[in-house]
Amino acid sequence: AQSVTQPDIHITVSEGASLELRCNYSYGATPYLFWYVQSPGQGLQLLLKYFSGDTLVQGIKGFEAEFKRSQSSFNLRKPSVHWSDAAEYFCAVGARGSQGNLIFGKGTKLSVKP
Amino acid sequence: DSGVTQTPKHLITATGQRVTLRCSPRSGDLSVYWYQQSLDQGLQFLIQYYNGEERAKGNILERFSAQQFPDLHSELNLSSLELGDSALYFCASSSRTLSTDTQYFGPGTRLTVL
Repeated sequence: AQSVTQPDIHITVSEGASLELRCNYSYGATPYLFWYVQSPGQGLQLLLKYFSGDTLVQGIKGFEAEFKRSQSSFNLRKPSVHWSDAAEYFCAVGARGSQGNLIFGKGTKLSVKP
Repeated sequence: DSGVTQTPKHLITATGQRVTLRCSPRSGDLSVYWYQQSLDQGLQFLIQYYNGEERAKGNILERFSAQQFPDLHSELNLSSLELGDSALYFCASSSRTLSTDTQYFGPGTRLTVL
């Protein structure tokens, strides 16, 4: 069965520092991979997605993620964090085929220190 | 603003009651997804509709049902409510049925069962 693991429940970084949020997936083939962000009281917003091709994908708000098949990972990175990045981040995997639902990890809450 | 609207924003009700959550997808989107977000289970897929037809089912309880109407809005009906049904319920929409199609999330309905 497909699953997504986000090992870090809560991460705190200083403003201006770099960020890496970890995501590991379990899937029989190359999955479709997504990162979403949820700000307090808001719905989820798509940051970036990977389907195929270049394993380094760029997203909105200066985020990027790298797909590593050998490690079954899709980690999210940002070189310099801003206070407005404080939110909860979700990694998700989508099935190939006609079923479109996403399977989400439990999320990583990011706090940003001034 | 994702273009997906959900009403009501908050709902407080008692155990044993029945409620209806409403979702209007983005203009032109034919697929609607319902997800439940709770502290213990995280974000879980409940059900997907495409152009009025049920397309996929996830971890949806038998006490829950949904439908998509000809104008493409969708309703999630929750009956015989239990304390454990308290959660944030998200609706998402996409243009087609594939997981490669970006899902746009509404702001959610927070259900509290007392």
